[in-house]
Formats: sequence, structure tokens, C-alpha cells
Amino acid sequence: AQSVTQPDIHITVSEGASLELRCNYSYGATPYLFWYVQSPGQGLQLLLKYFSGDTLVQGIKGFEAEFKRSQSSFNLRKPSVHWSDAAEYFCAVVSGGYNKLIFGAGTRLAVHP
Amino acid sequence: EAGVTQFPSHSVIEKGQTVTLRCDPISGHDNLYWYRRVMGKEIKFLLHFVKESKQDESGMPNNRFLAERTGGTYSTLKVQPAELEDSGVYFCASSPNSHNEQFFGPGTRLTVL
Repeated sequence: AQSVTQPDIHITVSEGASLELRCNYSYGATPYLFWYVQSPGQGLQLLLKYFSGDTLVQGIKGFEAEFKRSQSSFNLRKPSVHWSDAAEYFCAVVSGGYNKLIFGAGTRLAVHP
Repeated sequence: EAGVTQFPSHSVIEKGQTVTLRCDPISGHDNLYWYRRVMGKEIKFLLHFVKESKQDESGMPNNRFLAERTGGTYSTLKVQPAELEDSGVYFCASSPNSHNEQFFGPGTRLTVL
């Protein structure tokens, strides 16, 4: 069965530091992968997605993610974190033909000034 | 363009009572999804509508949950009778077709006492 693992439940970084959030997936075929962010009181917002092609994907808010098939990973990165990036981040994979999303448990990011 | 809206934002009920959650998708979006997140665990798929038809309800936990989408516009999710383990955040999402990004609402936080 398809699954998504986000090994880090909480991460704390200093403002201006680089960030990498880990995501590993289990999926038999070529996966469709997503990163969503949820800020307090808000819905889930799509940061970026990978369907095919270039394995380095650029998203909104300065985020990028790299698909590595050999490692079954889709890690999210940002070179310099801003205080407004404090939120919860979810990695997800599409399951089946109708776009049902399978989510990881989420990583909560705290940013210190 | 208005996003996905959900009502209420919070609901506190006692075990055994009935609660109805409402989701208004983005206008013109045929696909509507319900997900929920229980006790800080993964966000899990509940069901998927295409217009007024249930395309996939494999994630519905049991027959205490009833989802409807009369007329193919807004959807309701009724829990009757509610149990303690139903507490969590219920998210709704919509998309124009089944292979597009899903746009999420802010969620309804349900607390069953």
C-alpha cells in the first residue's frame, strides 16, 4: 500500500538558516508528489508538486524539492528561512486514478529570531 | 475568486449527538474531497465526489458517517451519533478535475466530549 513518511515531527531553525524537511514515500509506480503547508488558522496551501520531468521542482515562497527515485524521497528545501515560514508542512502522494492524497504525519517548523 | 469554505470552523458536541459539517467548494469544481486529521496523526482521505456522485468512499470509517452532495455543489458530512474518537479536524478540498491540484478549506475542528 502507498504510504508517506515524514521522519521529523518537529524542527526548529533560526531565521536565515537553511531548511530541509524530509519525505519518503512508498509507491509502486511513478508517484505524483506534493508538499502542502498549513499556517495557523489556514487551510492547506500547495507549495509545489512533482508529476514528471525535471526532478528539481520550484515552488512558491522560495521553496524547492528534489525527487530522488533511488531513495524514494522528495525532500523540501529552502536556502534561507523567514519567521513567516513557521507552520506545519505535509508531504503527500497521489493514490489511484482519482487524485486521492495520502499524507505524511506532518512536520511542524518553528523559527527562532 | 472565493476559496473553499467550511462551516462551522469549530464544533463542540457531546457523545451521542449529531453534527453536520458543510463544505462549499470553489465554483465550477466538480471534484470534492473530504479528509480528516485525528489526534495530530496523518490527514486521511474519507471520500471523493464527482459532481453529486460518490466516486470513492473507501475512507469512510463506519456507517455513522454520511456524506451528501445534492446538486453537485456544496457537500455535507453528518456524524450520527458522534463518538469520542471522531474528534479531529475535518478538511474539505475541491479540484476542477481529478488530475489537478486540490484546493483545501480551513477545516472544521470537531470536539466530541
